[in-house]
Amino acid sequence: EDQVTQSPEALRLQEGESSSLNCSYTVSGLRGLFWYRQDPGKGPEFLFTLYSAGEEKEKERLKATLTKKESFLHITAPKPEDSATYLCAVQAARAAGNKLTFGGGTRVLVKP
Amino acid sequence: EAGVAQSPRYKIIEKRQSVAFWCNPISGHATLYWYQQILGQGPKLLIQFQNNGVVDDSQLPKDRFSAERLKGVDSTLKIQPAKLEDSAVYLCASSTGTPTPLYNEQFFGPGTRLTVL
Repeated sequence: EDQVTQSPEALRLQEGESSSLNCSYTVSGLRGLFWYRQDPGKGPEFLFTLYSAGEEKEKERLKATLTKKESFLHITAPKPEDSATYLCAVQAARAAGNKLTFGGGTRVLVKP
Repeated sequence: EAGVAQSPRYKIIEKRQSVAFWCNPISGHATLYWYQQILGQGPKLLIQFQNNGVVDDSQLPKDRFSAERLKGVDSTLKIQPAKLEDSAVYLCASSTGTPTPLYNEQFFGPGTRLTVL
């Protein structure tokens, strides 16, 4: 069974204090690893897809990396507007359709 | 481009009552998903449609949950009868469904927050 574990569960940062979120996964053949951002009362918003170990993607202050067992989301010099829950999900090569298996998320609070 | 629409946004019911949620995906998106998100957890896929056919409903509690997408556009998810543990946010998502690229992005609606008392 595919499993995704995210850590820490919650993270409090001062504005400008860089940090990393971890996503550990076990899947029988990875088709893709996805990062989403979710604001309170809203649905998840797509950030990145990573396909193979060694791949990196960046968007503003966010950078996602992928190894064979985990992915990291690095937040560089965060601002209060980066406060959200960040969700990691995997898609298995054998998955029916485009099924995503999500982790529990990391709640990030950036204080000014 | 209009996003995924869901209604109602909030619903409060008593246990053993029935409830229905509606979703209208992004125009032209062939694939539609229903997810359940319990507070503090990540979304869990309940059912996936490709046009009006079911691709995956392996995690749908079929004794009480049902879903349909009759004309391949909008969809309805029903719970009958509801239990306390069904309290959650029900998210609808859609994607283009084209075979390439394989890993097409899923666009989520705002969700319906269900409280079962």
